[in-house]
Amino acid sequence: DAGITQSPRHKVTETGTPVTLRCHQTENHRYMYWYRQDPGHGLRLIHYSYGVKDTDKGEVSDGYSVSRSKTEDFLLTLESATSSQTSVYFCAISGGLAGNYEQYFGPGTRLTVT
Amino acid sequence: AQSVTQPDIHITVSEGASLELRCNYSYGATPYLFWYVQSPGQGLQLLLKYFSGDTLVQGIKGFEAEFKRSQSSFNLRKPSVHWSDAAEYFCAVGATNAGKSTFGDGTTLTVKP
Repeated sequence: DAGITQSPRHKVTETGTPVTLRCHQTENHRYMYWYRQDPGHGLRLIHYSYGVKDTDKGEVSDGYSVSRSKTEDFLLTLESATSSQTSVYFCAISGGLAGNYEQYFGPGTRLTVT
Repeated sequence: AQSVTQPDIHITVSEGASLELRCNYSYGATPYLFWYVQSPGQGLQLLLKYFSGDTLVQGIKGFEAEFKRSQSSFNLRKPSVHWSDAAEYFCAVGATNAGKSTFGDGTTLTVKP
């Protein structure tokens, strides 16, 4: 299994509070991604990173920010959590090399905003 | 823009029966195609991938998929389903742009004893 961990695995927080989720990889992969998974919506890309300090928005980026100061860590921050951000969040990594675009996923973080 | 459609939200098959999960994609060039499986409470795991070459690809756990360019399809098959195959299956099309993939909404497989 690819070395990807996510922390915390479960989080309950109140509306309006900031939340940071962490993704850590030991594979030295170039690309990292944050997705959210909701019933009926599959996986939706929030933000992704194509290198240290290089990030870009996905399809559902409003209300989220990310940072990547080291190859191995990719942080997702909810500046002011809302109930609509209750979801399961997955981090994924990809080597991005030719013929190596498959993604490897972390175990997920279940976030509940009350 | 790339997109993926999985027409079946939920499929039920009997243990030992054959399985085919459908996937249709839209992509402007030769696509990178993937199937992933997700067991309850887990992350997604790669089952198989197609980049080029032989259009019939073999994956883990006895799964295979066939790329049909004329039909824009990449259907997943297994000749004999086991109870442990019950899970959610996602088809995805990948791009060379930062390795981003677009995922279908998933098909939930239930296996009857």
